[in-house]
Amino acid sequence: DMKVTQMPRYLIKRMGENVLLECGQDMSHETMYWYRQDPGLGLQLIYISYDVDSNSEGDIPKGYRVSRKKREHFSLILDSAKTNQTSVYFCASSQQGENNQAPLFGEGTRLSVL
Amino acid sequence: GQQVQQSPSSLVLQEGENAELQCNFSSTATQLQWFYQSPGGSLVSLLSNPSGTKHTGRLTSTTVTKERRSSLHISSSQTTDSGTYLCAIERNMGYKLTFGTGTSLLVDP
Repeated sequence: DMKVTQMPRYLIKRMGENVLLECGQDMSHETMYWYRQDPGLGLQLIYISYDVDSNSEGDIPKGYRVSRKKREHFSLILDSAKTNQTSVYFCASSQQGENNQAPLFGEGTRLSVL
Repeated sequence: GQQVQQSPSSLVLQEGENAELQCNFSSTATQLQWFYQSPGGSLVSLLSNPSGTKHTGRLTSTTVTKERRSSLHISSSQTTDSGTYLCAIERNMGYKLTFGTGTSLLVDP
């Protein structure tokens, strides 16, 4: 069953704490993404990964870093979280070279930084 | 400025009415996708349509690439169509999608 799984689904952290968001996919897709979604701003790309250890900044990478040590797993790390990082975070994956294939999205992680 | 603009921002219909959603983009798009997002939910791909007209079920998308616009027509709307419709473009390959802020659709019974 093709699926992108995000953990945790909900998270509350205090300002200054470290945050780890995890994402897995079972399709062996090469490309994986992290987006955040905020009211009025839509989805914004944080990072894109083209394969293991092949990561590239998106439009809003500041304050975030990523790790991809296995093709099926992509982590988003917030070192010393800030209140303005409260958001809904979506992970997605897609297969490179597949004509017109849209990314498959996870259910999202709702992060509150207090 | 915003690269993908969607209109209207919100729309209310009676069940059975048709909906026309618009997407305009300011840069060349190598790919254009329409997504549906249920309230509080995830995104689901509806159509990939970089150019021309495509149909799936009650959905029709028409993209005029050189005019940098796309539309999504929903015929005979149902209450279960309620949610947010997002347009996204891919710029210069690289698999990076840029999203619009969406059209929020409410279909009343």
